[in-house]
Amino acid sequence: KQEVTQIPAALSVPEGENLVLNCSFTDSAIYNLQWFRQDPGKGLTSLLLIQSSQREQTSGRLNASLDKSSGRSTLYIAASQPGDSATYLCAPGGVYSGGGADGLTFGKGTHLIIQP
Amino acid sequence: GAVVSQHPSRVICKSGTSVKIECRSLDFQATTMFWYRQFPKKSLMLMATSNEGSKATYEQGVEKDKFLINHASLTLSTLTVTSAHPEDSSFYICSAKRDYSYNEQFFGPGTRLTVL
Repeated sequence: KQEVTQIPAALSVPEGENLVLNCSFTDSAIYNLQWFRQDPGKGLTSLLLIQSSQREQTSGRLNASLDKSSGRSTLYIAASQPGDSATYLCAPGGVYSGGGADGLTFGKGTHLIIQP
Repeated sequence: GAVVSQHPSRVICKSGTSVKIECRSLDFQATTMFWYRQFPKKSLMLMATSNEGSKATYEQGVEKDKFLINHASLTLSTLTVTSAHPEDSSFYICSAKRDYSYNEQFFGPGTRLTVL
């Protein structure tokens, strides 16, 4: 069974800082890995998708890397802004968990607060 | 593109009643949709994979007779919580996998279910 751990669980920093959020997973037999943000009481917004054959993906101030063999991914946020405040979720996908293939397994997330 | 909607966004019901939640992909076709559940301060947990035109596949520990899933078209999946009880109160989120999109999943805004 896939297990996902995200470190740190919470982070509060002043705006402008560059941040690294860490994600580790136990089963490296994945098809891809997605990073999401979740605002309080809301659904998920997809930030980046990395295929298992890729090493990293970039979108604006966000960069995500994937080391599939070691079961790790990092999300790098450059020049953080108060609008980046949210919970960030890491979700490796595609591990057959006994029910449906392609389902995502989520970590508990990193709760990020960017202070103005 | 790749917008997923859910209806209703919030529902309060009495114990013993059934509640239907709709998940729609608005601008793309999705042969596969997923249903997740999130309890307060917990990770999202995959409940079931919904396949258009066939039976859903459920994760271990999810009662298929309790959570009825119907995926009648390429843009609509429904989750019915039958005979709801207070312990079913949770945040239910669906996602849809856009065909030919490298397995990327797009999430709806979620439905907050409160059973009194």
